[in-house]
Amino acid sequence: DAGVIQSPRHEVTEMGQEVTLRCKPISGHNSLFWYRQTMMRGLELLIYFNNNVPIDDSGMPEDRFSAKMPNASFSTLKIQPSEPRDSAVYFCASSSPGNGSPLHFGNGTRLTVT
Amino acid sequence: AQSVTQLDSQVPVFEEAPVELRCNYSSSVSVYLFWYVQYPNQGLQLLLKYLSGSTLVKGINGFEAEFNKSQTSFHLRKPSVHISDTAEYFCAVSGGNTDKLIFGTGTRLQVFP
Repeated sequence: DAGVIQSPRHEVTEMGQEVTLRCKPISGHNSLFWYRQTMMRGLELLIYFNNNVPIDDSGMPEDRFSAKMPNASFSTLKIQPSEPRDSAVYFCASSSPGNGSPLHFGNGTRLTVT
Repeated sequence: AQSVTQLDSQVPVFEEAPVELRCNYSSSVSVYLFWYVQYPNQGLQLLLKYLSGSTLVKGINGFEAEFNKSQTSFHLRKPSVHISDTAEYFCAVSGGNTDKLIFGTGTRLQVFP
């Protein structure tokens, strides 16, 4: 099992540019989560999907952020336009069906917006 | 709503000494509790989980945690730490009808030789 795969590992972009982060969950997992990690705020849940449907996006900071899950094996998190305060490590995680199933995390994408 | 409190942001300890990382939670429903570890430049890895049953849970790398419902705590312990245990440790809670996992702010465990 390759685990949760995120790309790219690192992204450096200029303010105002569009950024797209990608995630491939573990096969058979039906829940997918996007988290953001910063020194100031720790780990924040941005959005999560169940069976490809967004269930809770209350953590999405603002309209500049959007997430999609077109199928069970792929999800994107897009920031348009990006701002320096979006600089953080973005993690994708997935879990299998069933209450209490643990999350499996990818290695994250470190985003730097200059 | 659920929440998790990790009171210690940093815990320094010497190698081979015992350690306890504290976690308290708040929830109005039955909970599932987790501890994760994060090594530098990596994602989080599951150490152990409590779903039901025995309140003492054993995990990987010699760690264990005890669920205490009356004190709403889930402290993580290891009787003898190694240098390689240096990492960030996160306590997390989920429960009810949601898969949502809420994390604490993390505790940085620093093991010195």
